[in-house]
Amino acid sequence: GAGVSQTPSNKVTEKGKYVELRCDPISGHTALYWYRQSLGQGPEFLIYFQGTGAADDSGLPNDRFFAVRPEGSVSTLKIQRTERGDSAVYLCASSRTSGGGNEQFFGPGTRLTVL
Amino acid sequence: AQSVAQPEDQVNVAEGNPLTVKCTYSVSGNPYLFWYVQYPNRGLQFLLKYITGDNLVKGSYGFEAEFNKSQTSFHLKKPSALVSDSALYFCAVREPGNFNKFYFGSGTKLNVKP
Repeated sequence: GAGVSQTPSNKVTEKGKYVELRCDPISGHTALYWYRQSLGQGPEFLIYFQGTGAADDSGLPNDRFFAVRPEGSVSTLKIQRTERGDSAVYLCASSRTSGGGNEQFFGPGTRLTVL
Repeated sequence: AQSVAQPEDQVNVAEGNPLTVKCTYSVSGNPYLFWYVQYPNRGLQFLLKYITGDNLVKGSYGFEAEFNKSQTSFHLKKPSALVSDSALYFCAVREPGNFNKFYFGSGTKLNVKP
């Protein structure tokens, strides 16, 4: 069975550019999460989708970050006017539902490098 | 405020010896606690979780963890370490009433030497 997939695996961009990171969750999982993991740190919550709607975007650092999930499956994390401080591994996770006891299944991540 | 602490950046253990990776938490109410493992260039993999019930939970690859409410701890253990257990381990907590997110610790690198 396919797990969570993320593309691209690596993205190098220049400061000020726009990037899109894609997440394909496990089929049938209604909950989808984005995290950011900086070097030497644990993943940090960014945003959570239940179905198509962003149920909690409290972790997005500023308005340059935006995410969508238009059909309740694939999600795209969008970063405008990238800054060097945005460099990190962006992780996507999905779970069957949003219930607290459900574990999240993580993708391999996209390593973003902003030069 | 919710938080998770992993006090050791690195744990070194010889193969065949028992291992412990420490985790303490600070949340209001009764937490849901999880352990994940991360191998290089791979996503986090779920190991085990504590929701309710027996304080000792068993998970994948022979790992177990003990929930201790009085010490607010959830230490990961394994009776006999394998070289292949070498990886980065993360403790995570969810607060009842706010299941939207995990709060992760900073991770502990486990080195198992032959």
